[in-house]
Amino acid sequence: DIVLTQSPALAVSLGQRATISCKTNQNVDYYGNSYMHWYQQKPGQQPKLLIYLASNLASGIPARFSGRGSGTDFTLTIDPVEADDTATYYCQQSRNLPWTFGGGTKLELK
Amino acid sequence: EVQLVETGGGLVQPGRSLKLSCVASGFTFNNYWMSWTRQAPGKGLEWVASITNSGGSTYYPDSVKGRFTISRDNAQNTLYLQMNSLRSEDTATYYCTRSNGGSSFDYWGQGVMVTVSS
Repeated sequence: DIVLTQSPALAVSLGQRATISCKTNQNVDYYGNSYMHWYQQKPGQQPKLLIYLASNLASGIPARFSGRGSGTDFTLTIDPVEADDTATYYCQQSRNLPWTFGGGTKLELK
Repeated sequence: EVQLVETGGGLVQPGRSLKLSCVASGFTFNNYWMSWTRQAPGKGLEWVASITNSGGSTYYPDSVKGRFTISRDNAQNTLYLQMNSLRSEDTATYYCTRSNGGSSFDYWGQGVMVTVSS
C-alpha cells in the first residue's frame, strides 16, 4: 500500500501563507499526471475536495488554495490564510489500489 | 445541485449485518464511479469500496474484502453498501462519495454513523 505522511498540525497567522506537505513512499505519477488530491474537513462536516491531480482547483474553491508537486512530494498552499480556513486537511492518492489518505494536518491560527 | 443522501446507519452487534443506502441527485448517476469512505471517531479517512459506473467491477481494501459488498441501482440512482460480519473496528461515519477527476472524491454525502457494539 502507498503510505502518505503529513505533519499532524500547523499554526499560522491570519493573512500569512500556510504550506501543508504530503510525502508518499511510492511515486504517484502516471502518464503525466500526479494522482494526488487534497481535501478540507471542518469539525462536524464532511470532507470537501480542494485540489485534484496535484494542482487542479476543484469547482467553487477560491484561488487562495493551490497545489503543487510530483512524484513523492506534494504541497497544499493557502495564501492568504483566512479565519474560515481552520480545519483538517487530508491528502489522498489514487495511483494504486487501495486508495489511501494521509493522516491529516490540523491547521490552527496563531 | 449534486446531492448524496445516506441512510441505514445505526447500532449493531458484532457479527451482524447492516446495509447502507445512498440516493444521488443532481447529476447523471450512471456516468460516474461511486465509492464509500469511512471515518472512525476522532480518526482519519479510510477508503472502503468503489464501483464502476456500470456496476461491472468493484474494488475493496483488504480490511473489508469478503465482508462488505458495494452495489448500485442505476435506475433508482442509488448506491448500496452491504456490511456483513461487522466488527468493533468498523465503527465509523460512512460517507457516500462520487468519484471524478483522476479518482478523486469530488462530492460527499453528509455521512451516516455505524456503531458496532454489544
